[in-house]
Amino acid sequence: KNEVEQSPQNLTAQEGEFITINCSYSVGISALHWLQQHPGGGIVSLFMLSSGKKKHGRLIATINIQEKHSSLHITASHPRDSAVYICAVSGGSEKLVFGKGTKLTVNP
Amino acid sequence: GAGVSQSPSNKVTEKGKDVELRCDPISGHTALYWYRQSLGQGLEFLIYFQGNSAPDKSGLPSDRFSAERTGGSVSTLTIQRTQQEDSAVYLCASSPRRGSYNSPLHFGNGTRLTVT
Repeated sequence: KNEVEQSPQNLTAQEGEFITINCSYSVGISALHWLQQHPGGGIVSLFMLSSGKKKHGRLIATINIQEKHSSLHITASHPRDSAVYICAVSGGSEKLVFGKGTKLTVNP
Repeated sequence: GAGVSQSPSNKVTEKGKDVELRCDPISGHTALYWYRQSLGQGLEFLIYFQGNSAPDKSGLPSDRFSAERTGGSVSTLTIQRTQQEDSAVYLCASSPRRGSYNSPLHFGNGTRLTVT
């Protein structure tokens, strides 16, 4: 079993829909990262959080440490949100452990 | 300012040859990381530098892989006697201070390595 599990693996939505991507992990962590990888391959760090909730524009990330679970929400989705979203956790060392990613496609 | 720069962006090499992949981190970033993303697989950690030293090399898959960092800046990942299973995208990331757990990472666009 992977230490970091993401669901769903693939997600297709219509423009404007509210989207949720889930990440569950099995180890104790110091921080959880949400990353976005566009089709060209570049990776952008969206959020780094260790508790509670963070918001940036239409993106919201939450984490529940007790349940070892995090969600990434996208409100009013847009085709430019189409990308692979990756969850990664740090157990206090430098070695991030990554989920396999959720491929999001938002159709106009 | 400039982001993390990796070169080459693509590299095709024959099995058995050595390759060098370069990463120029953001100026002033003390932490530097190498990751690998194989087709259909998630990212995997290879090595971490703090300054010029590598406190964690645990992700290097074999002794054919080595990395160095000089001047607290540029890093080179070397793969000797490449094998087909080394084909992947090699990503570099940097961070302004110690700890992937207390600062966001800035990624380069990666080097796509194909071993034929």
